[in-house]
Amino acid sequence: GAVVSQHPSRVICKSGTSVKIECRSLDFQATTMFWYRQFPKKSLMLMATSNEGSKATYEQGVEKDKFLINHASLTLSTLTVTSAHPEDSSFYICSAREAYYNEQFFGPGTRLTVL
Amino acid sequence: AQSVTQLDSHVSVSEGTPVLLRCNYSSSYSPSLFWYVQHPNKGLQLLLKYTSAATLVKGINGFEAEFKKSETSFHLTKPSAHMSDAAEYFCVVSEPSGTYKYIFGTGTRLKVLA
Repeated sequence: GAVVSQHPSRVICKSGTSVKIECRSLDFQATTMFWYRQFPKKSLMLMATSNEGSKATYEQGVEKDKFLINHASLTLSTLTVTSAHPEDSSFYICSAREAYYNEQFFGPGTRLTVL
Repeated sequence: AQSVTQLDSHVSVSEGTPVLLRCNYSSSYSPSLFWYVQHPNKGLQLLLKYTSAATLVKGINGFEAEFKKSETSFHLTKPSAHMSDAAEYFCVVSEPSGTYKYIFGTGTRLKVLA
């Protein structure tokens, strides 16, 4: 099956720093990738839709200047949490849409802890 | 607009007994429906998916779900629960439009008692 990786799996940073999370589709090309955020014991909340070569589309209430998304190639999307604060601590999950099966394949997630 | 409702936030079953996790959806289109499982501090694993083929869908680990259009339901079942089934389960409906978004249910936490 299609595989999506995320890096890093876990990151701890100080308040005020920026953190970049990578999402890669390993064996297929993905024109569309998605970024989700999951709070403890909660469901996944869609943050934004990332389209290769164009600007990301953010969901209502998500700060686009806070969560920068870049989808520079058909296999890589990045999420940068700028000037991170403790309230940004969360589990971030990406997915990549595989066009033939019209299905999203999910990465294993990145646990961000901001001190 | 599409939506999905998971009727139970928590379900407890004894090991070896049947599992039923309920999901109802709302969709103006012919939906694609999915069930995912998430073990603690892990990513999502696809259990099964319905994409307008057979209404009874068989998935991994003995799970299956039946698409019932008249009831707008897609309940997940398993004949006999195993301790390893304890996890969070998400029902998902997919928008067939150009956005390809997934709409997640709020999740059902399954507890399996020895």
